[in-house]
Amino acid sequence: NAGVMQNPRHLVRRRGQEARLRCSPMKGHSHVYWYRQLPEEGLKFMVYLQKENIIDESGMPKERFSAEFPKEGPSILRIQQVVRGDSAAYFCASSPDRINPLRISGNTIYFGEGSWLTVV
Amino acid sequence: GESVGLHLPTLSVQEGDNSIINCAYSNSASDYFIWYKQESGKGPQFIIDIRSNMDKRQGQRVTVLLNKTVKHLSLQIAATQPGDSAVYFCAEMNYGGSQGNLIFGKGTKLSVKP
Repeated sequence: NAGVMQNPRHLVRRRGQEARLRCSPMKGHSHVYWYRQLPEEGLKFMVYLQKENIIDESGMPKERFSAEFPKEGPSILRIQQVVRGDSAAYFCASSPDRINPLRISGNTIYFGEGSWLTVV
Repeated sequence: GESVGLHLPTLSVQEGDNSIINCAYSNSASDYFIWYKQESGKGPQFIIDIRSNMDKRQGQRVTVLLNKTVKHLSLQIAATQPGDSAVYFCAEMNYGGSQGNLIFGKGTKLSVKP
């Protein structure tokens, strides 16, 4: 997971505030994914983005959550009016391209170190 | 619903022994599988992957086996070391579905005794 940069690593927000999590993909990667992990659980897919496009947001809550990956700059996961249930680790991942079944190696999804959000 | 699950939530092995972590998946359409290692407070670290047109793949000290008949995936770690202690997740994907949507199991905690 070297190369996928996330910040902040830890973020504390009061209920009702906004949280912004940033992700810079690995060099040469144009596909970004956001996952959420609750304690003692596996990661849950949230959203898949390419530059300036949302490819799949089927895992995103309908309200308060949004994601973008602008032409310039990092991908941003934004959570408005945070609630205690939003407390979790949020992981960003990237890949160089769409996962290609014909490529033997190298074309996979690499994760960052995560951003831990605590809502108090 | 379709899901990825793990047979054993915890596994304790002696240093130097081989470890086998198992995973069952229920989506027969899944055609790409990845094993990740996650240490406390860190992100998932890619270990090895396998596509459904293969039944075995080897890396450095690790081997992944895929049995599509019974929808079973395993990760074998040879000569387990204390640094291998972590939670291991299997994840599956369906190329024909959402390409970014890896479905993770809950994880197996591997504990290596010195």
